[in-house]
Amino acid sequence: DIQMTQSPSSLAASVGDRVTITCRASQSIRNYLNWYQQKPGKAPNLLIYVASNLQSGVPSRFSGSGSGTDFTLTISSLQPEDFATYYCQQSYTTPRTFGQGTKVEIK
Amino acid sequence: QVQLQESGPGLVKPSQTLSLTCSVSGGSISSGGYYWSWIRQHPGKGLEWIGYIYDSGRTDYNPSLKSRLAISIDTSKNQFSLKLSSVTVADTAVYYCARCLHAGDYEDYWGQGTLVTVSS
Repeated sequence: DIQMTQSPSSLAASVGDRVTITCRASQSIRNYLNWYQQKPGKAPNLLIYVASNLQSGVPSRFSGSGSGTDFTLTISSLQPEDFATYYCQQSYTTPRTFGQGTKVEIK
Repeated sequence: QVQLQESGPGLVKPSQTLSLTCSVSGGSISSGGYYWSWIRQHPGKGLEWIGYIYDSGRTDYNPSLKSRLAISIDTSKNQFSLKLSSVTVADTAVYYCARCLHAGDYEDYWGQGTLVTVSS
Protein backbone atom coordinates (compact mmCIF):
# COMPACT_ATOMS: atom_id res chain seq x y z
CA ASP A 1 0.00 0.00 0.00
CA ILE A 2 1.08 3.58 -0.60
CA GLN A 3 1.68 5.36 2.68
CA MET A 4 0.59 8.98 2.99
CA THR A 5 2.23 11.12 5.65
CA GLN A 6 0.92 14.53 6.57
CA SER A 7 2.71 17.22 8.51
CA PRO A 8 2.14 18.69 10.90
CA SER A 9 -0.37 16.47 12.74
CA SER A 10 -1.84 19.59 14.29
CA LEU A 11 -1.28 23.31 14.25
CA ALA A 12 -2.64 26.36 15.99
CA ALA A 13 -3.24 29.45 13.91
CA SER A 14 -5.07 32.75 14.04
CA VAL A 15 -7.75 34.12 11.76
CA GLY A 16 -6.04 35.72 8.79
CA ASP A 17 -2.95 33.51 8.97
CA ARG A 18 -1.55 31.71 5.96
CA VAL A 19 -1.57 27.98 6.65
CA THR A 20 0.34 25.27 4.81
CA ILE A 21 -0.15 21.53 5.22
CA THR A 22 2.17 19.03 3.60
CA CYS A 23 1.44 15.51 2.39
CA ARG A 24 4.13 13.07 1.29
CA ALA A 25 3.55 9.78 -0.53
CA SER A 26 5.77 6.73 -0.08
CA GLN A 27 6.11 6.48 -3.88
CA SER A 28 5.22 8.62 -6.85
CA ILE A 29 1.50 9.12 -7.29
CA ARG A 30 1.89 11.56 -10.17
CA ASN A 31 -0.81 14.16 -9.43
CA TYR A 32 -3.46 11.78 -8.09
CA LEU A 33 -3.84 13.58 -4.79
CA ASN A 34 -7.02 14.92 -3.22
CA TRP A 35 -7.66 17.06 -0.14
CA TYR A 36 -10.68 16.86 2.16
CA GLN A 37 -11.85 18.96 5.07
CA GLN A 38 -13.72 17.34 7.94
CA LYS A 39 -15.53 19.06 10.77
CA PRO A 40 -16.56 17.21 13.95
CA GLY A 41 -19.51 14.89 13.42
CA LYS A 42 -19.62 15.58 9.68
CA ALA A 43 -18.58 13.73 6.56
CA PRO A 44 -15.41 14.81 4.78
CA ASN A 45 -15.85 17.53 2.17
CA LEU A 46 -13.80 17.61 -1.02
CA LEU A 47 -11.64 20.73 -1.36
CA ILE A 48 -9.03 19.98 -4.00
CA TYR A 49 -8.83 17.16 -6.56
CA VAL A 50 -6.00 15.95 -8.74
CA ALA A 51 -3.50 18.00 -6.74
CA SER A 52 -4.50 21.50 -7.74
CA ASN A 53 -8.09 21.67 -8.93
CA LEU A 54 -10.50 23.58 -6.73
CA GLN A 55 -13.80 21.79 -6.21
CA SER A 56 -16.86 23.80 -7.19
CA GLY A 57 -18.15 25.91 -4.32
CA VAL A 58 -14.90 25.84 -2.35
CA PRO A 59 -13.49 29.29 -1.50
CA SER A 60 -10.51 30.44 -3.54
CA ARG A 61 -8.39 30.89 -0.41
CA PHE A 62 -7.80 27.13 -0.64
CA SER A 63 -5.18 25.96 -3.11
CA GLY A 64 -3.20 22.81 -3.76
CA SER A 65 0.10 22.08 -5.45
CA GLY A 66 2.63 19.34 -5.98
CA SER A 67 3.28 16.23 -7.98
CA GLY A 68 5.17 12.99 -7.61
CA THR A 69 5.56 12.46 -3.87
CA ASP A 70 5.24 15.92 -2.30
CA PHE A 71 2.06 17.95 -2.08
CA THR A 72 0.83 21.05 -0.30
CA LEU A 73 -2.53 22.44 0.75
CA THR A 74 -2.49 26.17 1.42
CA ILE A 75 -5.12 28.33 3.05
CA SER A 76 -4.17 31.88 2.14
CA SER A 77 -6.09 33.65 4.91
CA LEU A 78 -7.58 31.41 7.58
CA GLN A 79 -11.23 32.03 8.35
CA PRO A 80 -13.21 30.94 11.45
CA GLU A 81 -15.02 28.25 9.45
CA ASP A 82 -11.71 26.69 8.39
CA PHE A 83 -10.92 25.25 11.80
CA ALA A 84 -11.21 21.55 11.04
CA THR A 85 -9.19 18.45 10.24
CA TYR A 86 -7.69 18.10 6.77
CA TYR A 87 -6.89 14.83 5.03
CA CYS A 88 -4.95 14.06 1.89
CA GLN A 89 -5.84 10.98 -0.16
CA GLN A 90 -4.01 9.27 -2.98
CA SER A 91 -6.11 8.01 -5.87
CA TYR A 92 -3.22 6.71 -7.99
CA THR A 93 -3.90 3.10 -7.11
CA THR A 94 -5.98 0.90 -4.87
CA PRO A 95 -6.20 0.48 -2.02
CA ARG A 96 -6.79 4.18 -1.82
CA THR A 97 -5.06 5.57 1.25
CA PHE A 98 -5.38 8.69 3.36
CA GLY A 99 -2.97 10.71 5.41
CA GLN A 100 -3.44 10.64 9.15
CA GLY A 101 -4.98 14.10 9.17
CA THR A 102 -3.94 17.60 10.22
CA LYS A 103 -6.05 19.31 12.84
CA VAL A 104 -6.15 23.08 12.49
CA GLU A 105 -7.01 24.73 15.80
CA ILE A 106 -7.54 28.27 17.00
CA LYS A 107 -4.51 29.96 18.52
CA GLN B 1 -27.95 17.74 -6.22
CA VAL B 2 -26.87 14.19 -5.51
CA GLN B 3 -27.56 12.93 -2.00
CA LEU B 4 -26.47 9.70 -0.36
CA GLN B 5 -27.90 8.18 2.79
CA GLU B 6 -26.60 5.21 4.73
CA SER B 7 -28.96 2.89 6.57
CA GLY B 8 -28.62 -0.24 8.64
CA PRO B 9 -28.28 -1.54 12.20
CA GLY B 10 -26.26 0.58 14.58
CA LEU B 11 -25.33 -2.40 16.74
CA VAL B 12 -23.92 -5.72 15.57
CA LYS B 13 -22.75 -8.64 17.68
CA PRO B 14 -19.23 -10.00 17.32
CA SER B 15 -18.87 -12.72 14.67
CA GLN B 16 -22.03 -11.57 12.91
CA THR B 17 -22.36 -9.75 9.58
CA LEU B 18 -22.53 -5.98 9.31
CA SER B 19 -24.93 -4.91 6.57
CA LEU B 20 -25.40 -1.36 5.33
CA THR B 21 -27.23 0.16 2.39
CA CYS B 22 -26.58 3.46 0.68
CA SER B 23 -29.55 5.06 -1.06
CA VAL B 24 -28.73 7.54 -3.81
CA SER B 25 -31.09 10.35 -4.80
CA GLY B 26 -30.81 13.23 -7.24
CA GLY B 27 -29.13 11.11 -9.89
CA SER B 28 -29.03 7.62 -11.33
CA ILE B 29 -26.56 5.15 -9.89
CA SER B 30 -26.20 3.66 -13.37
CA SER B 31 -25.59 6.91 -15.22
CA GLY B 32 -21.98 5.96 -15.83
CA GLY B 33 -18.70 7.63 -14.99
CA TYR B 34 -18.79 6.88 -11.29
CA TYR B 35 -17.69 4.36 -8.72
CA TRP B 36 -19.70 3.96 -5.53
CA SER B 37 -17.50 3.87 -2.46
CA TRP B 38 -17.51 2.78 1.15
CA ILE B 39 -15.11 4.45 3.58
CA ARG B 40 -14.97 4.11 7.36
CA GLN B 41 -13.56 6.05 10.27
CA HIS B 42 -12.75 4.45 13.59
CA PRO B 43 -13.72 6.61 16.59
CA GLY B 44 -11.34 9.54 16.86
CA LYS B 45 -9.18 8.20 14.04
CA GLY B 46 -8.49 8.75 10.37
CA LEU B 47 -10.20 7.52 7.23
CA GLU B 48 -9.96 4.01 5.79
CA TRP B 49 -11.01 3.12 2.26
CA ILE B 50 -13.11 -0.06 2.25
CA GLY B 51 -13.78 -0.48 -1.45
CA TYR B 52 -15.99 0.50 -4.31
CA ILE B 53 -18.25 -0.87 -6.97
CA TYR B 54 -18.73 0.22 -10.55
CA ASP B 55 -22.20 0.45 -12.01
CA SER B 56 -21.29 -2.62 -14.06
CA GLY B 57 -20.97 -4.56 -10.80
CA ARG B 58 -17.19 -4.86 -10.88
CA THR B 59 -15.69 -4.36 -7.44
CA ASP B 60 -12.36 -3.28 -5.97
CA TYR B 61 -11.72 -4.05 -2.30
CA ASN B 62 -9.17 -3.14 0.32
CA PRO B 63 -7.03 -6.28 0.65
CA SER B 64 -7.12 -5.93 4.43
CA LEU B 65 -10.88 -6.55 4.36
CA LYS B 66 -11.32 -8.51 1.14
CA SER B 67 -11.85 -11.93 2.72
CA ARG B 68 -14.83 -10.63 4.73
CA LEU B 69 -16.25 -8.06 2.36
CA ALA B 70 -18.98 -7.94 -0.27
CA ILE B 71 -20.20 -4.81 -2.02
CA SER B 72 -23.19 -5.05 -4.31
CA ILE B 73 -25.32 -2.70 -6.37
CA ASP B 74 -29.04 -2.63 -7.12
CA THR B 75 -29.63 -0.25 -10.00
CA SER B 76 -33.40 -0.79 -9.86
CA LYS B 77 -33.48 0.66 -6.35
CA ASN B 78 -30.66 3.17 -6.92
CA GLN B 79 -28.80 1.64 -4.00
CA PHE B 80 -25.55 -0.07 -3.22
CA SER B 81 -24.72 -2.17 -0.19
CA LEU B 82 -21.92 -3.33 2.06
CA LYS B 83 -21.67 -6.64 3.89
CA LEU B 84 -18.77 -7.28 6.26
CA SER B 85 -18.74 -10.70 7.86
CA SER B 86 -17.20 -12.05 11.07
CA VAL B 87 -17.03 -8.61 12.65
CA THR B 88 -15.03 -7.81 15.77
CA VAL B 89 -14.85 -4.75 18.00
CA ALA B 90 -12.17 -3.47 15.61
CA ASP B 91 -14.90 -2.95 13.02
CA THR B 92 -16.65 -0.37 15.21
CA ALA B 93 -16.59 2.79 13.13
CA VAL B 94 -18.57 5.44 11.32
CA TYR B 95 -19.28 4.07 7.85
CA TYR B 96 -19.63 6.50 4.95
CA CYS B 97 -20.88 5.87 1.46
CA ALA B 98 -19.73 8.21 -1.28
CA ARG B 99 -19.77 8.83 -5.02
CA CYS B 100 -16.39 8.63 -6.67
CA LEU B 101 -15.86 10.35 -9.99
CA HIS B 102 -14.07 7.97 -12.34
CA ALA B 103 -12.20 10.75 -14.14
CA GLY B 104 -9.80 11.75 -11.39
CA ASP B 105 -10.86 9.23 -8.79
CA TYR B 106 -12.12 11.47 -6.01
CA GLU B 107 -15.19 11.35 -3.79
CA ASP B 108 -17.32 14.40 -4.53
CA TYR B 109 -20.51 13.51 -2.64
CA TRP B 110 -20.71 11.75 0.72
CA GLY B 111 -23.43 10.39 2.94
CA GLN B 112 -23.66 11.76 6.46
CA GLY B 113 -22.20 8.56 7.88
CA THR B 114 -23.62 5.98 10.24
CA LEU B 115 -22.03 4.69 13.43
CA VAL B 116 -21.87 0.92 13.70
CA THR B 117 -20.88 -0.49 17.06
CA VAL B 118 -19.75 -4.10 17.41
CA SER B 119 -20.59 -5.30 20.89
CA SER B 120 -22.20 -8.23 22.60
